[in-house]
Amino acid sequence: VQLVESGGSLVQPGGSLRLSCAGSGFNFENNAMRWVRQAPGKGLEWVAAISGPGGTINYADSVQGRLTISRDNSKSTMYLQMNGLRVEDTAVYYCAREGYVVGPDRYYYYYLDVWGKGTTVTVAS
Amino acid sequence: SSELTQDPAVSVALGQTVRITCQGDSLRTYPANWFQHKPGQAPVAVICGNDNRPPGIPDRFSGSTSGSTASLTITGAQADDEADYYCNSRDSRGNHPFGTGTRVTVL
Repeated sequence: VQLVESGGSLVQPGGSLRLSCAGSGFNFENNAMRWVRQAPGKGLEWVAAISGPGGTINYADSVQGRLTISRDNSKSTMYLQMNGLRVEDTAVYYCAREGYVVGPDRYYYYYLDVWGKGTTVTVAS
Repeated sequence: SSELTQDPAVSVALGQTVRITCQGDSLRTYPANWFQHKPGQAPVAVICGNDNRPPGIPDRFSGSTSGSTASLTITGAQADDEADYYCNSRDSRGNHPFGTGTRVTVL
């Protein structure tokens, strides 16, 4: 089971970039997926989430309207289209799979069980 | 509010016990997950659903919750446990915020 991000690079403020996250070793369409980022010297920040079929999407307020999450289950790949990039978007971007464990109460507890190694986005002039 | 607040840093002597807390209103409704994050590596889940350990996580990691506070306890801390720890949950709008993070130093 593996996730591999790609597409990070140096881009000027106001520019665009598309990140990809390729999954392998599992049935990609069965799992919700998320993007998480970490800016230099800062903590982890949840960016966006997408359901397995792709019909349910949520964004952090800080990226709403500028970043767009999507997925192509036929290619086992998730994307993050980044438009109107700002200096504060500079970060390592991780993709992660939402898996679950079944607790002793037989409840399904969802959590990010598989992560990629990250791809670096630098927004600077 | 979906904000999750943690103490910035704690230290623990080798072999001793340390507890990290995470406070947020959403924790009254939704379970907390905890992640360990070391520099240059991907985060790793050490607790999910408040008090469940994912496969492969040592039993020195445990979790609990009470009201609006979730806790992660490391019993018998090892040098390898030195890392940043983040709580994570969700809110009623479908957001999945992380806590502010706690740096754990093992002395």
